Amino acid sequence: DQQVKQNSPSLSVQEGRISILNCDYTNSMFDYFLWYKKYPAEGPTFLISISSIKDKNEDGRFTVFLNKSAKHLSLHIVPSQPGDSAVYFCAASAYAGGTSYGKLTFGQGTILTVHP
Amino acid sequence: DARVTQTPRHKVTEMGQEVTMRCQPILGHNTVFWYRQTMMQGLELLAYFRNRAPLDDSGMPKDRFSAEMPDATLATLKIQPSEPRDSAVYFCASGLITLGGAYGYTFGSGTRLTVV
Repeated sequence: DQQVKQNSPSLSVQEGRISILNCDYTNSMFDYFLWYKKYPAEGPTFLISISSIKDKNEDGRFTVFLNKSAKHLSLHIVPSQPGDSAVYFCAASAYAGGTSYGKLTFGQGTILTVHP
Repeated sequence: DARVTQTPRHKVTEMGQEVTMRCQPILGHNTVFWYRQTMMQGLELLAYFRNRAPLDDSGMPKDRFSAEMPDATLATLKIQPSEPRDSAVYFCASGLITLGGAYGYTFGSGTRLTVV
């Protein structure tokens, strides 16, 4: 049962334009969401996060939007740069009371390619 | 910058052999994860420790996989006997998790395991 889904395996965008990466989740207990970026031969690196008490969080060129009713989050990158080309993973966490707090469930990832 | 160190970076082994992967989490982090990246499943959680105590290893094939934290500076993931289907990249991640605190784990660079 895939609780976090990234339905687009890949996305191609022109430099300077907006990149929108999408993520859907099924577990209504998830209350914290993160995006990670991964380059080849490296581990994922933390990009941005959002708590369920918010619907938007912004950090420079990166903005994450959360729509709790639709169980959907998205990552916007504006403007996109060739160096943003990487695999992007969304992840979610649920506060289940105690030991499971902080356990991350990841989506399958979306390959973003930004063309010069 | 503090980093999570994983060894070895690459491992090629024959089917049936024991494989041990090691991880040195960031000093002061209280949570350690083992993830496996495959093409089909994305990032799968294998095991999860908080303050060195195992919390969740439900994602791990119990008959052949084992994960331990003998001390705060070392986490290990063992496969015995290894099988070709275990070929993947294995990531360790650590983080400081507190109730109500924002977090984003730090991942190591991974161990690429090939079982022939």
